[in-house]
Amino acid sequence: SQKIEQNSEALNIQEGKTATLTCNYTNYSPAYLQWYRQDPGRGPVFLLLIRENEKEKRKERLKVTFDTTLKQSLFHITASQPADSATYLCAPWSGGSYIPTFGRGTSLIVHP
Amino acid sequence: EPEVTQTPSHQVTQMGQEVILRCVPISNHLYFYWYRQILGQKVEFLVSFYNNEISEKSEIFDDQFSVERPDGSNFTLKIRSTKLEDSAMYFCASSGDRAELFFGEGSRLTVL
Repeated sequence: SQKIEQNSEALNIQEGKTATLTCNYTNYSPAYLQWYRQDPGRGPVFLLLIRENEKEKRKERLKVTFDTTLKQSLFHITASQPADSATYLCAPWSGGSYIPTFGRGTSLIVHP
Repeated sequence: EPEVTQTPSHQVTQMGQEVILRCVPISNHLYFYWYRQILGQKVEFLVSFYNNEISEKSEIFDDQFSVERPDGSNFTLKIRSTKLEDSAMYFCASSGDRAELFFGEGSRLTVL
């Protein structure tokens, strides 16, 4: 069955450092992969979408890579700030469908 | 900035009762979704809706669930006979192009 794996342990980093979050998926080949941010008790907020023919996508301090051979996406936040503390959700589109399927997310905690 | 609005923000109901969760998607969007998130777990897809009909649904979306777009602005999720395990946060989302989903703040359903 299709599986999406994100680090279940929280990632703790110091302000100003680069945070790197990993998303691995198995048993399918999504054409698109999205990243969302979710704050406690709130709905997910869209951050970036990357297509299978794009190796890298950037938006301000955010960078996403998509390696279809490794079946992995990396999400980077440079110059991290305490306000970046949240859970980040990876959402590959299930094969043949336009429906984002979410991983459990990785909690990022940026310490001042 | 346009946003997806959901009501009620919190509903408490008795097991076996019917519940209707309401959503007002962003006005020019064409694609509508319901997701749910049980406390501490991942965001799970329930159903998508396009052109006045269900386009996709998950295994969770069984006969006790239904969706409707009763007029040009509202999108509702009905749970016919609630069970304890239906307790969750229910998120509505809409999209103009399916590439980016805009989520509401959610309706928290507590079934006693």
